[in-house]
Amino acid sequence: EVQLVESGGGLIQPGGSLRLSCAASGFTVRSNYMSWVRQAPGKGLEWVSVIYSGGSTYSADSVKGRFTISRDNSKNTLYLQMNSLRGEDTAVYYCARVGQLDPDYYGMDVWGQGTTVTVSS
Amino acid sequence: DIQMTQSPSSLSASVGDRVTITCRASQSIGFYLNWYQQKPGKAPKLLIYAASSLQSGVPSRFSGSGSGTDFTLTISSLQPEDFATYYCQQSYSTPATFGGGTKVEIK
Repeated sequence: EVQLVESGGGLIQPGGSLRLSCAASGFTVRSNYMSWVRQAPGKGLEWVSVIYSGGSTYSADSVKGRFTISRDNSKNTLYLQMNSLRGEDTAVYYCARVGQLDPDYYGMDVWGQGTTVTVSS
Repeated sequence: DIQMTQSPSSLSASVGDRVTITCRASQSIGFYLNWYQQKPGKAPKLLIYAASSLQSGVPSRFSGSGSGTDFTLTISSLQPEDFATYYCQQSYSTPATFGGGTKVEIK
């Protein structure tokens, strides 16, 4: 079964660090584009970061320089290292596979259940 | 960055109604437009990709159209399980921005 399972969320003080994990099964992380998307309480979806199969990474301006996306091919796991956390980073964080649905078109076709990050003193 | 604007932000409809949601991109994105459905407390679910292609397993009452800057998601006959929030997303360029969402509520 194709599945993503996130972990690592929790309550953290402003300025702190947290690492989210996203364990994949049924497919290979290194062969796919993978993304993190977050959703603040009562708000819409916000794209956070992507790692391409070749290893290139990109992040939203709101997290650039603070968040780092990476993967461990041996563990088939995606990560999001979050440093210098702020109150506005409070959200449910989802990992997603960006599937190649057509030769030229991609979409987030597999999602994890989400993990909650709360930044508060 | 490409901005995605959805309208309306919410709507009330009855079971059996035809529902249309629009999404506008701040620049031309061709057919690089996806639609997602999200129910409370759940992860989003991909409905439509490439503006009009139905994702596997999605009921045929969902359809998408449009190209360039203007797109539409249509639910031909609203079912009880369709009450949810719908998001568009452009996959033309990074960052792959989302629209603000449209909440479909029961009238």
